[in-house]
This record gives sequence, C-alpha cells and structure tokens, in this order.
Amino acid sequence: AQTVTQSQPEMSVQEAETVTLSCTYDTSESDYYLFWYKQPPSRQMILVIRQEAYKQQNATENRFSVNFQKAAKSFSLKISDSQLGDAAMYFCAYHSGTYKYIFGTGTRLKVLA
Amino acid sequence: DSGVTQTPKHLITATGQRVTLRCSPRSGDLSVYWYQQSLDQGLQFLIQYYNGEERAKGNILERFSAQQFPDLHSELNLSSLELGDSALYFCASSGHLARDEQFFGPGTRLTVL
Repeated sequence: AQTVTQSQPEMSVQEAETVTLSCTYDTSESDYYLFWYKQPPSRQMILVIRQEAYKQQNATENRFSVNFQKAAKSFSLKISDSQLGDAAMYFCAYHSGTYKYIFGTGTRLKVLA
Repeated sequence: DSGVTQTPKHLITATGQRVTLRCSPRSGDLSVYWYQQSLDQGLQFLIQYYNGEERAKGNILERFSAQQFPDLHSELNLSSLELGDSALYFCASSGHLARDEQFFGPGTRLTVL
C-alpha cells in the first residue's frame, strides 16, 4: 500500500531565508503525481505545486520548488525568500489516479520576523 | 474561491445526535472526497465517491455514511455523535486524472457538546 511520510512536525525559518520541508513516500506504481498543499490559519487548503513522476525536471512555482528524487522516493519542498504569509501547515500528497489521495501528517511552518 | 461549496459552515449539536453535511463539487468534477481534521491534526481520509459510486474508503466509522447523488453533490451523515467527533470536515473534488489536483471546500466545523 502507498504511504506518505512527513517526518518534521514543525519547522521555523527566518523571514527572507530558505527552508526545505521533507516528504518521503512508498509505492510500487510507476506513474503517479506528487503534490504539496498549504493550509494557512484560515484552514483553506491550497495547492502549492505538483510533480509528475515521469518528469525528471523538478517543478517550480515562483519561490516554491521541489527536489524530486524518484529512486529515493523523496519529494521535498523548498521555499525561498520566505515571507510571513508562508506560515502555514504544509501537506505532501500522493495520487496515482487508481486510488485515493494519500496525505502526509503535515509540517507546521513558522516564519520569524 | 475553489468552486467547492460546503454547508453549513458551523454546526453545534449534542452527543447522540445525527447531522448531515453537504458538499457541492466544482463544476465538471466527478470525484468527491471527504476528510476529517481534528484540531491541529492532519487530514484523515474518510471516503471517496466517483460519479455516484463509492470508490475508496478510509478510516470511516460505522456511525458515518455518505453518498453522492445524480447531480454529483454529496452528503456525509454522522450519527450517534460523540465528543471526539468534533472536528473540521472537508469536502474536496477533482477530475479523474492522476494529475488533477483536489479543490477543497471551506470545511464544516462540527462541535459536539
């Protein structure tokens, strides 16, 4: 069965600095997508970035980028130039289309002014 | 605005009661997912429907049930409520492809007194 693990319950970063959130997963499938979702204090879940397993190039969305290591089954999120508005809960998720979405337990990110 | 609507926003009820949470997916989305999020916890997957049929089941209690109607809206029924059922209940919808992100509703906050 597929699993998603986020081993960092909480992280802190200084404003304008860079932080990396870790995510590992386990699957026997070859075609799947990985996602990072953000949940700010408002509790609204928002997609941050997605990565297709078949694409070797790491996805990038403005200040957000991923480090996707397929062989190691690792999918980390890098946030550059951290802003106060980045403070949120971040969830890593897996989806292959053949089964349900699988979410990690989340990492709470605090941004220090 | 994600395009997913959930009603009611807040619900306060007593132990032993039964409530119904309603979700309307984004236009065109056939998949509906239900999640439970207790205070400061991760997302607990409950159940998924695709075009009216149950597709996947997570850690859903027997006291809970759901259905998706022909117009694709979905309802989550919670019965014999206990204090521990107090949580934020999210509905999300998505397309049927693996690359399709989930669009989350604003959630229904259930308080059981």
